Formats: sequence, C-alpha cells, structure tokens
Amino acid sequence: SQKIEQNSEALNIQEGKTATLTCNYTNYSPAYLQWYRQDPGRGPVFLLLIRENEKEKRKERLKVTFDTTLKQSLFHITASQPADSATYLCARSDNNAGNMLTFGGGTRLMVKP
Amino acid sequence: NAGVTQTPKFRILKIGQSMTLQCAQDMNHNYMYWYRQDPGMGLKLIYYSVGAGITDKGEVPNGYNVSRSTTEDFPLRLELAAPSQTSVYFCASSYTGPYNEQFFGPGTRLTVL
Repeated sequence: SQKIEQNSEALNIQEGKTATLTCNYTNYSPAYLQWYRQDPGRGPVFLLLIRENEKEKRKERLKVTFDTTLKQSLFHITASQPADSATYLCARSDNNAGNMLTFGGGTRLMVKP
Repeated sequence: NAGVTQTPKFRILKIGQSMTLQCAQDMNHNYMYWYRQDPGMGLKLIYYSVGAGITDKGEVPNGYNVSRSTTEDFPLRLELAAPSQTSVYFCASSYTGPYNEQFFGPGTRLTVL
C-alpha cells in the first residue's frame, strides 16, 4: 500500500517565523497531494492541493512544494501567528487507488507569541 | 448551507450493541466518505460512496456497513460494537473524487466499553 508519513513530533516556533512541515511518501509519486488543517475536536479543513506536475502552489501566507525526486512535500506558513496553531495533515490520492485519499498522521504546530 | 452534519456528537456503547452514525450534506456532492481517526494515527477510510446506491470498501471496513439511498445521506452502521471501534468518526463529502477537496463534518466520538 502507498504510505504517507509526517513528523509526529510537535513543531514549536516563534510568532512571525516561517513554519515548515514535511510530508514524505513511499514508492511512486501520488497524482495529488492535499493539505488540511485540523483544530482540536473538529473535522479537518482543506487548505491546498498540488498536482504531481506542479512544483509549487501558493495561497496567501501558505506555500506547498512537491519534490518527486525527494518524494516529499513541504508546507510553509510564512509570518506565522498563534492562530495558526493546529494539526496539519497531508493526504495523497493516486490514479490507481480508485477514489481513496490516504492521510498521514499529522504534525502539530504550536506558534508562540 | 449547513455543509456536512453528523449526529450524535458523542456516544458510549457497550460491547455487542449496535448503532448508526448519521451523516448528511446539503452541497449536492456526489462523493461521500467515512473515516475513523485514532489518536495520532491520522484518518483511515472505512467506506465511501460515489453516488446514491453505490458504495465501496475503504482501508478498514470490517465491522461496519453503509448504505446510500439518497445523495444527501450516508449512514454508517456498527452491528456488534467492539472496544477496537472506539474512535472519532468523520464523515466527508466532495463534488467529485479525491482530486477535489473534501468537506468534513464535526465528528462523532464513540467509546465502546
């Protein structure tokens, strides 16, 4: 099965700095990678989607990269704020996996004022 | 729009009991999904549906059943509850397949004792 892995350790950064979260995948590249934000006690909320043939995607303070050589996606939040504190999930979808989305375990981000 | 709604929010079951987790969406989405989330483990797909009358197994379907009689509703049935089914359950929907963003409900926290 295709795996997707995120750092299970929490990431602590200072307000105003750039947060960088990592998502690594195994075997062949997924067709798409998606990133979601999840707050405690709530369902995930979609943030960004990047396709296999795209190197970078941006949305306001968010940036996602897709490196098929390193088998990795990086998720950046620039000028981070305490309100960005949450768990961030990445998920892969594959052309040969039907309609399934495979999620990583998530990385918790804590932004300190 | 209410988006994706789930009931109940919390439930405690005894081993061997059965229950149905309700999920409804008002966005006219064709695709609906059921996930379970264990602490620190990310989301695992239980079942999904690509339209009324069509359902398929996900990664962890054992112990669950689903039906999709309408576009709006996608209930998840637990027939003989087991402690291993203690988890948080999320329902999600999307307009098309996993190449589009998924909209999640608020979740149902289930404990089986």
